[in-house]
Amino acid sequence: QQQVKQSPQSLIVQKGGISIINCAYENTAFDYFPWYQQFPGKGPALLIAIRPDVSEKKEGRFTISFNKSAKQFSLHIMDSQPGDSATYFCAASIRTQGAQKLVFGQGTRLTINP
Amino acid sequence: DTGVSQNPRHKITKRGQNVTFRCDPISEHNRLYWYRQTLGQGPEFLTYFQNEAQLEKSRLLSDRFSAERPKGSFSTLEIQRTEQGDSAMYLCASSTRDRVEQYFGPGTRLTVT
Repeated sequence: QQQVKQSPQSLIVQKGGISIINCAYENTAFDYFPWYQQFPGKGPALLIAIRPDVSEKKEGRFTISFNKSAKQFSLHIMDSQPGDSATYFCAASIRTQGAQKLVFGQGTRLTINP
Repeated sequence: DTGVSQNPRHKITKRGQNVTFRCDPISEHNRLYWYRQTLGQGPEFLTYFQNEAQLEKSRLLSDRFSAERPKGSFSTLEIQRTEQGDSAMYLCASSTRDRVEQYFGPGTRLTVT
């Protein structure tokens, strides 16, 4: 119940295309869903996040779509650029003993071909 | 405004040795988290501090691991009698009390030979 399943494991998109990464969860106690971007040798960087009472959130070229009934959420990267090539992690947050503990998906390695 | 910093960035040690990592959170962030990330996987929660109090520890944190946050500022993570399975990236994150966003440091990559 604490797992977050992410797909696909790897994704290749042409420059200018749309990149779509999907995640699914089981635990309805999760109350916050961030996406992180990670470059090799670096720590994860917070990209965008959503609460379950919102169905969509857009920030620049990045959009999260959230389906509460299906317990699924996805990241869309519009007009994908070579600089977007990185590993993306979805996560879900659950409050435990005062902390917002993050449970991460397995990651998606995104490659944008020029 | 400086982000979360971690030292050292890389550590190579022989099996059986003790290692200690340091994390300096963003100033005024009273919550501090440690995560472990193995190759090709997402980070996994290890432990959490609110100020100087360690409030939660994962089952991943065996008795060879100990974490401290004296005075509620920087934190240290010590691994005693390292094993090859401890090889991973150790990540630190911090957040404020009022917000859920967690900001990660660059990590310490540990290699146990």
